[in-house]
Amino acid sequence: GENVEQHPSTLSVQEGDSAVIKCTYSDSASNYFPWYKQELGKRPQLIIDIRSNVGEKKDQRIAVTLNKTAKHFSLHITETQPEDSAVYFCAVSKGNNDMRFGAGTRLTVKP
Amino acid sequence: GAGVSQSPRYKVAKRGRDVALRCDSISGHVTLYWYRQTLGQGSEVLTYSQSDAQRDKSGRPSGRFSAERPERSVSTLKIQRTEQGDSAVYLCASSLVSRDRGPYEQYFGPGTRLTVT
Repeated sequence: GENVEQHPSTLSVQEGDSAVIKCTYSDSASNYFPWYKQELGKRPQLIIDIRSNVGEKKDQRIAVTLNKTAKHFSLHITETQPEDSAVYFCAVSKGNNDMRFGAGTRLTVKP
Repeated sequence: GAGVSQSPRYKVAKRGRDVALRCDSISGHVTLYWYRQTLGQGSEVLTYSQSDAQRDKSGRPSGRFSAERPERSVSTLKIQRTEQGDSAVYLCASSLVSRDRGPYEQYFGPGTRLTVT
């Protein structure tokens, strides 16, 4: 089955710096790669997603890049703010929409 | 409109007992997924339930986990003979499309924290 690895498990940055979280996957048939943000005690919320026919997608301070050959994709957050502090999960899916999530990255943005 | 909701938010069960967790999805959404979220580990789908215009389809049972669809926008995750390793947060997520139509955005509920003693 699909194996999703996410790194780092924790990340601490200074406000205004950039943060990068990377996920690797094993199934080359995977074609949908969403990123979810989960604040403490709250539900995961989709922040950005990318499909396998696109290499990069950007939405304001958030971007996702996909390298299909190497089977990895990354979340980039620029100009981080304290409210970006949360746990971020990558996920991988293919035709049947069953998603497998990474273990999560706890991001702390220090003011 | 209202998002996905789950009840109860917290559940304590004695080992060996069966439990049922409820998920109320977004009206009109077709597929409901159940995930188990364990701290520091990846989450994966446990089971799902799907409905279409004609009939409800039972979610595929996965060992002790099964999903039922008592109403169009309600799914119940049933865990039989709970074990201590079942202690986790159970998330449901709903999708506008049927499972065979391929990956699509999923909307998550707030989760139910299950503790098996």
